[in-house]
Amino acid sequence: EAGVAQSPRYKIIEKRQSVAFWCNPISGHATLYWYQQILGQGPKLLIQFQNNGVVDDSQLPKDRFSAERLKGVDSTLKIQPAKLEDSAVYLCASSLERQNYGYTFGSGTRLTVV
Amino acid sequence: GDSVTQMEGPVTLSEEAFLTINCTYTATGYPSLFWYVQYPGEGLQLLLKATKADDKGSNKGFEATYRKETTSFHLEKGSVQVSDSAVYFCALKPLNQGGKLIFGQGTELSVKP
Repeated sequence: EAGVAQSPRYKIIEKRQSVAFWCNPISGHATLYWYQQILGQGPKLLIQFQNNGVVDDSQLPKDRFSAERLKGVDSTLKIQPAKLEDSAVYLCASSLERQNYGYTFGSGTRLTVV
Repeated sequence: GDSVTQMEGPVTLSEEAFLTINCTYTATGYPSLFWYVQYPGEGLQLLLKATKADDKGSNKGFEATYRKETTSFHLEKGSVQVSDSAVYFCALKPLNQGGKLIFGQGTELSVKP
């Protein structure tokens, strides 16, 4: 079974620029999550999709972050404009059902904002 | 709100030593509890889980017991190997909140030969 694919692996941008991350979940997984992991901290949920609908985006900074999941498969997370404090690893995860215990995480995208 | 607290790292052990990484939580009701491991350059992997009080999760020689009375889920291994060097995250899944995980800050483990 192929894992959760994310790209790019690394990205360096200047503050105020925009950036986008892409995630392809495991085939058939209805639930998709985006987490932000700041260095030295545990991951924090940004947004959760069930198919192509948003379940939870309460911790997404909506003034600068946006996410979409077209056709309930791939997802894109965008930051515009980026701030220095957005430097982090952005992790995508997927699972079969909303309450399923088994998350599968991708390797993440490491973003550095300079 | 719900939260997870882990012992601070880094933890440095010699090969074959006994490992304990402490984890305590604050939550309403009976959340599910997890340990995830993150090897260098890789994503998070589920190590073990427990879904109700007194459950013991185990995998690859690691164990953790869900203790409701002490709100704890400490990770243990009897004899660590160099290959166990990684960052370990304790996490909880709150009840009725759509499946999100709340993570502790992580504990880095370094095992020396």
